[in-house]
Amino acid sequence: DQQVKQNSPSLSVQEGRISILNCDYTNSMFDYFLWYKKYPAEGPTFLISISSIKDKNEDGRFTVFLNKSAKHLSLHIVPSQPGDSAVYFCAARFYTGGFKTIFGAGTRLFVKA
Amino acid sequence: KAGVTQTPRYLIKTRGQQVTLSCSPISGHRSVSWYQQTPGQGLQFLFEYFSETQRNKGNFPGRFSGRQFSNSRSEMNVSTLELGDSALYLCASSLEGGSGTQYFGPGTRLLVL
Repeated sequence: DQQVKQNSPSLSVQEGRISILNCDYTNSMFDYFLWYKKYPAEGPTFLISISSIKDKNEDGRFTVFLNKSAKHLSLHIVPSQPGDSAVYFCAARFYTGGFKTIFGAGTRLFVKA
Repeated sequence: KAGVTQTPRYLIKTRGQQVTLSCSPISGHRSVSWYQQTPGQGLQFLFEYFSETQRNKGNFPGRFSGRQFSNSRSEMNVSTLELGDSALYLCASSLEGGSGTQYFGPGTRLLVL
C-alpha cells in the first residue's frame, strides 16, 4: 500500500541547473507534505514543507509545489549545487488518533560539478 | 539544543536473538516515531508514541514492539530476529501541532546473521 510514490529512483543534474524531484500520493486525508534530505550514515533532515491548503512554498533555493487535483507535489532546487547530492524523501502526514507520516522510497540526486 | 540520539549505532545479532534499541528525543518533544529503512523501500513506519502511549502502529508483525518512558525516551524491541530485519532503524521526535516536522536521529544499523 504505497500511498506516497517517488517514481524516479535517481536523478542527475549539472551544477547550476534546476533539479526537479517529483512525488505522487493517493490519500486525500494528507494535510501536510514534507521533503527530507538524507546523506549516507545520517538520519534524514527536514528541508521544506507545505500545507495542503497552499500550492507553493519557497525557502531560499528550495521551492515545493503542490497540485492537489493531480495529487502531485514537486521539489525544485535552483541553482543545484554539488552539496545537494543526497537522497530526497517525500513525506505526507495525516492524523489518525495521532500523526502518521508516510514516506516515499526516495530519489537519489547527483549534482555534477 | 541537543538533537535526537540513538544507541547503539551499530549492532550485529544472529537469527532468533532479540534486540533493544534506544532513542532520546529532543528536549521538549513528546512524540517519538520509529521507522525501518531498507534499500529501495524508503522509510517504513513502525509506531509512534506520545506521552508513554502508542498512538499509531504500522504494518509490522508483533515481534516489533516499543515503549516510551515518562521522560519521553523510547525503546524499540525486536524479538526472534530474522535475516530480513537487517536494516537501518530510525527514530524521530516532534512537537505537536504545525506541520509535525520530525527530527531524526542518526539511526541504528542492525545486521542479522
